[in-house]
Amino acid sequence: AQSVAQPEDQVNVAEGNPLTVKCTYSVSGNPYLFWYVQYPNRGLQFLLKYITGDNLVKGSYGFEAEFNKSQTSFHLKKPSALVSDSALYFCAVRDWGSGTYKYIFGTGTRLKVLA
Amino acid sequence: DTAVSQTPKYLVTQMGNDKSIKCEQNLGHDTMYWYKQDSKKFLKIMFSYNNKELIINETVPNRFSPKSPDKAHLNLHINSLELGDSAVYFCASSQLGAGGYNEQFFGPGTRLTVL
Repeated sequence: AQSVAQPEDQVNVAEGNPLTVKCTYSVSGNPYLFWYVQYPNRGLQFLLKYITGDNLVKGSYGFEAEFNKSQTSFHLKKPSALVSDSALYFCAVRDWGSGTYKYIFGTGTRLKVLA
Repeated sequence: DTAVSQTPKYLVTQMGNDKSIKCEQNLGHDTMYWYKQDSKKFLKIMFSYNNKELIINETVPNRFSPKSPDKAHLNLHINSLELGDSAVYFCASSQLGAGGYNEQFFGPGTRLTVL
């Protein structure tokens, strides 16, 4: 079965420190992986994706993610956190098992950046 | 310019009523989606249309009926509303592509409260 897991409900980090939001996946086909961010009372916004190629993917707002095939992970990172990065982050993966263009979203990780 | 818009933003109604939510995208995308986000922020796909054709129809009650009059519009009609239908409903769009690897653009959401 296709799945994506975000093992942490919440991540707290001090402003200026590096941050990591974890995501692991399980898919039967090529892993098409995405990160989205949701600010309060807003829709999800696309941050970055991995389809193929370089394992380190750079995205919006200084975020990057590292695809690790052996560990089936796609952790989101940022070298220096800002208070404004505080939001809900979702990892998503293309669901090959459905036979349709469906994406499975993780349960979300709330990032809190402390001033 | 709003890329994906939804109306209304808030919807408060009584149990048993029928209501509709409308979505429009001006991105020229060929695929649109409806998602439901519950109170725990879990995001679940409900329906998807590609070029006005229904391609994803998850196991949702048949009280929910989507309609796509054209590629730029996707509506959701809900009959006989129940308390459990209270949630935030998000519309999204994407350009499907051959591999289904394009990101989705989300609307601001419609917060439905059933009393």
